[in-house]
Amino acid sequence: EAGVAQSPRYKIIEKRQSVAFWCNPISGHATLYWYQQILGQGPKLLIQFQNNGVVDDSQLPKDRFSAERLKGVDSTLKIQPAKLEDSAVYLCASRYSNSGANVLTFGAGSRLTVL
Amino acid sequence: AQKVTQAQTEISVVEKEDVTLDCVYETRDTTYYLFWYKQPPSGELVFLIRRNSFDEQNEISGRYSWNFQKSTSSFNFTITASQVVDSAVYFCALSAPYSSASKIIFGSGTRLSIRP
Repeated sequence: EAGVAQSPRYKIIEKRQSVAFWCNPISGHATLYWYQQILGQGPKLLIQFQNNGVVDDSQLPKDRFSAERLKGVDSTLKIQPAKLEDSAVYLCASRYSNSGANVLTFGAGSRLTVL
Repeated sequence: AQKVTQAQTEISVVEKEDVTLDCVYETRDTTYYLFWYKQPPSGELVFLIRRNSFDEQNEISGRYSWNFQKSTSSFNFTITASQVVDSAVYFCALSAPYSSASKIIFGSGTRLSIRP
């Protein structure tokens, strides 16, 4: 089966600019996650979707970050305006359902550099 | 609150040595799952193993083995006869299915370097 697709792989922007990342999960996976991974740290959950509804966005900086999954398939994560500390890899992951037993499958990530 | 601690930030060993990566977790849930993921230089997180809280049997898969001990809340990972290709960052993770949102919490990772 095809994996989790993410684009772009790399993005360099200046602070205060905006950026958007796109994710296409594995077909049939109802649950989708966006994680932020700062260099040298583990992935930190930003937002979790179940189909097209938000399950958990408690750690999403909502003043600058937004995410949507309108049709319950693809998802977009947007940052506006970007800050230097947003430099990180943004990982999208999906799994079949919200059950804790299910394995997360990750995409290759989108590396953001904010100058 | 749920937490995963990987106290070893970096480990460097010579090829063919055995190496153990430590993982300690905290959760109030009685049913939960533990995972190990590998992140090679390419960046993509690769699933290695899942263990549920009711199964404390150790598992061996080739050169990899996992030791799950509920009494010490630990889920350690051992690589036997390490190889250069094992060089990567390894993450331990915890998922509690009966939380309001069944998310996976990751540790901070252990960077493993295998020297030829």
